[in-house]
Amino acid sequence: GENVEQHPSTLSVQEGDSAVIKCTYSDSASNYFPWYKQELGKRPQLIIDIRSNVGEKKDQRIAVTLNKTAKHFSLHITETQPEDSAVYFCAASRAGQGNLIFGKGTKLSVKP
Amino acid sequence: EAEVAQSPRYKITEKSQAVAFWCDPISGHATLYWYRQILGQGPELLVQFQDESVVDDSQLPKDRFSAERLKGVDSTLKIQPAELGDSAMYLCASNPTGTGEGAFFGQGTRLTVV
Repeated sequence: GENVEQHPSTLSVQEGDSAVIKCTYSDSASNYFPWYKQELGKRPQLIIDIRSNVGEKKDQRIAVTLNKTAKHFSLHITETQPEDSAVYFCAASRAGQGNLIFGKGTKLSVKP
Repeated sequence: EAEVAQSPRYKITEKSQAVAFWCDPISGHATLYWYRQILGQGPELLVQFQDESVVDDSQLPKDRFSAERLKGVDSTLKIQPAELGDSAMYLCASNPTGTGEGAFFGQGTRLTVV
């Protein structure tokens, strides 16, 4: 079955710096890769996603890149702000299946 | 903005007792998921419904867990008997397509078994 590895487990940056979180997946049939942000005590919220027919997607300060050959994808947050502090989860889903396989999460701390 | 509703938000129960969680997905979403999230880890799928039918319950501990979605709308997840290791956040999610794309999560039920 699919296995998603996420690194690093914790990340601390200064406000205004960039943050990068990386994930690898094992199932070459996976074709959908979302990123969720989970603030303490709150629900995971979808912040950006990418499908396997696209190599990069941007939404304001957030971008996701996908390398299908290497089976890895990354979340990039530019100009980080304290409100970006949260746990970020990557996930992968296989075509025709609804089950999202999640990574273990990255706790991002943005210091003012 | 439409949301996935879950209740209760918090539940404390003694081991060996029965406990139940309720979820009401976003209106019109045919696919409903129950995930379990242990502290410090990512969510793990317990069961997936498409309308009233179970699509995937391969990770559901069926000796103690059960889930139903009788009318294809809201859903109940039950644990009987609860064990200490069941302490976790139980998250419900829904999406309209069944492909996992754009899944929306509820606030979850934080279960503590004592």
